[in-house]
Amino acid sequence: AQKVTQAQTEISVVEKEDVTLDCVYETRDTTYYLFWYKQPPSGELVFLIRRNSFDEQNEISGRYSWNFQKSTSSFNFTITASQVVDSAVYFCALSEGSGAGSYQLTFGKGTKLSVIP
Amino acid sequence: EAQVTQNPRYLITVTGKKLTVTCSQNMNHEYMSWYRQDPGLGLRQIYYSMNVEVTDKGDVPEGYKVSRKEKRNFPLILESPSPNQTSLYFCASRPSGRATYEQYFGPGTRLTVT
Repeated sequence: AQKVTQAQTEISVVEKEDVTLDCVYETRDTTYYLFWYKQPPSGELVFLIRRNSFDEQNEISGRYSWNFQKSTSSFNFTITASQVVDSAVYFCALSEGSGAGSYQLTFGKGTKLSVIP
Repeated sequence: EAQVTQNPRYLITVTGKKLTVTCSQNMNHEYMSWYRQDPGLGLRQIYYSMNVEVTDKGDVPEGYKVSRKEKRNFPLILESPSPNQTSLYFCASRPSGRATYEQYFGPGTRLTVT
């Protein structure tokens, strides 16, 4: 069975600080896909990134970066120079590459990030 | 505009009164899914559909029904709603059954059952 753990329930940072959101996953499949979604206070879910299990390259998109480490089953998300608009709940999610798990997207419980001006 | 739509966006109802939340996508996606979001629990999958007339249970299917008669629509039916089904519901779709694609989410339906 697949599982995603986001141990940080809530984080508060002061604007311009860097912040890392942790995500640890469990799966028995060798092929799997990891995702991050953002849920701003307005409530919609915004897709941020997808990473497959064969690609361990880190990715940077503007102030956002992701660190994928298969050795520790982690897919952490860092926001550099945080801004008030980054305040949201962030979800990490996992889908397996085959079988029943490929039809299911398992979410972590989310991390609520508050950026204080 | 490519999108997933849900109706209604907000609904307050009473225990036992059957209701349907509609979901429609205009992207010709094969796969559609329903999730519920509860505080402290994240999003949990209720049902999903791999294609027309093909549906299966997710992690929390009790008390819900779905149908997929057309590719674009995937309604969620609560035949006898109870207060523990008060939640925020999201519909989602993706291009195929392959997990490599991200899911596109609707705006959410906030349901309150009294």
